[in-house]
Amino acid sequence: DTGVSQDPRHKITKRGQNVTFRCDPISEHNRLYWYRQTLGQGPEFLTYFQNEAQLEKSRLLSDRFSAERPKGSFSTLEIQRTEQGDSAMYLCASSAKGSYEQYFGPGTRLTVT
Amino acid sequence: QKEVEQNSGPLSVPEGAIASLNCTYSDRGSQSFFWYRQYSGKSPELIMSIYSNGDKEDGRFTAQLNKASQYVSLLIRDSQPSDSATYLCASRLRSSGDKLTFGTGTRLAVRP
Repeated sequence: DTGVSQDPRHKITKRGQNVTFRCDPISEHNRLYWYRQTLGQGPEFLTYFQNEAQLEKSRLLSDRFSAERPKGSFSTLEIQRTEQGDSAMYLCASSAKGSYEQYFGPGTRLTVT
Repeated sequence: QKEVEQNSGPLSVPEGAIASLNCTYSDRGSQSFFWYRQYSGKSPELIMSIYSNGDKEDGRFTAQLNKASQYVSLLIRDSQPSDSATYLCASRLRSSGDKLTFGTGTRLAVRP
């Protein structure tokens, strides 16, 4: 049973560029979550999906952020017109039906220069 | 007041000792609690989950929950240098779906 995978692992981009991250959850996990973590802080919730439905979005998720999970399998998180404040580790997690335990992927570290 | 609070540490213990990590939460609607371990530069790894008052043991780890006092703790017995990491406490509110709210973490250092 492979874990959650994320791609890319590192991304350096210039301010104003768009970036897209991908997350592949654990097989058969129906819920998928995105979090953001900055240095010295715990992960902060961004959004989550149950199957292909996006059920909740944080107020942290500005209009520049969009997430999709088109077929209820992998998910993408896009950030448009990146800002330096977007620099963070973007974490994806998944959980199985009937369980509240969330398992994290390795994360994508974004640096906006 | 933060929803989940942890002492940032560092908590320093000698090898072989018991490390005690504490977490308080503010919302009585919090229903489920989780402890994650995070090594520097890595992602969080789930160690324990606890849903009911009392103790839950798994190997060298024991999670304790006291809902009346709004207090969760993690005990690590026979601490090893490899346990040196940041330990994150997280809660799930009954009313807020499945999202987790994390504390800022406690850094644990186990001295050889």
